[in-house]
Amino acid sequence: DVKVTQSSRYLVKRTGEKVFLECVQDMDHENMFWYRQDPGLGLRLIYFSYDVKMKEKGDIPEGYSVSREKKERFSLILESASTNQTSMYLCASSPFVNIQYFGAGTRLSVL
Amino acid sequence: ILNVEQSPQSLHVQEGDSTNFTCSFPSSNFYALHWYRWETAKSPEALFVMTLNGDEKKKGRISATLNTKEGYSYLYIKGSQPEDSATYLCACRHASGGSYIPTFGRGTSLIVHP
Repeated sequence: DVKVTQSSRYLVKRTGEKVFLECVQDMDHENMFWYRQDPGLGLRLIYFSYDVKMKEKGDIPEGYSVSREKKERFSLILESASTNQTSMYLCASSPFVNIQYFGAGTRLSVL
Repeated sequence: ILNVEQSPQSLHVQEGDSTNFTCSFPSSNFYALHWYRWETAKSPEALFVMTLNGDEKKKGRISATLNTKEGYSYLYIKGSQPEDSATYLCACRHASGGSYIPTFGRGTSLIVHP
């Protein structure tokens, strides 16, 4: 079974803190993605990566950055957390143009 | 940003009812459509991958059809059960500038009452 593991299920941070969300997949997938999910808005793509050290902006990259130093790990970084970044964050991986496999999600609250 | 729309936004049905919902998408440069089921407190899981016009896929009581010429897909659930309660997401991949990044609809939330 494909496993996509997100480091935390729940996280509470303060405004201005630097936040790292980690995601690891165990199936040697080329593509990895970070989404946020907000009520009524569906899944919105923040960043994706199609190879090690490669990254592309998604639809809502502002306030976020990413890092992919190894194929299995894709990190989402909030440089200076703000309250409007309170959300559910989902990581996903996929082999090229195939279905995505999702992690369990991280519910982040920024106070 | 591609416009992928799902309707209805939410649906309440009684156990045993059959139901269906829609995903509509731009028909030009279509590559593939994926249906996912997302149960509360779990990860979204893939139900179907559909690529060809006229495709029909079936998994137990759930089936899906695809019309790429007019840009829509239907998901059907026959004889709904409470365990079918979930949000159903569709995601479309289009060949745009060499990128096949999926665009998600906002989902249809299904609640099946016993």
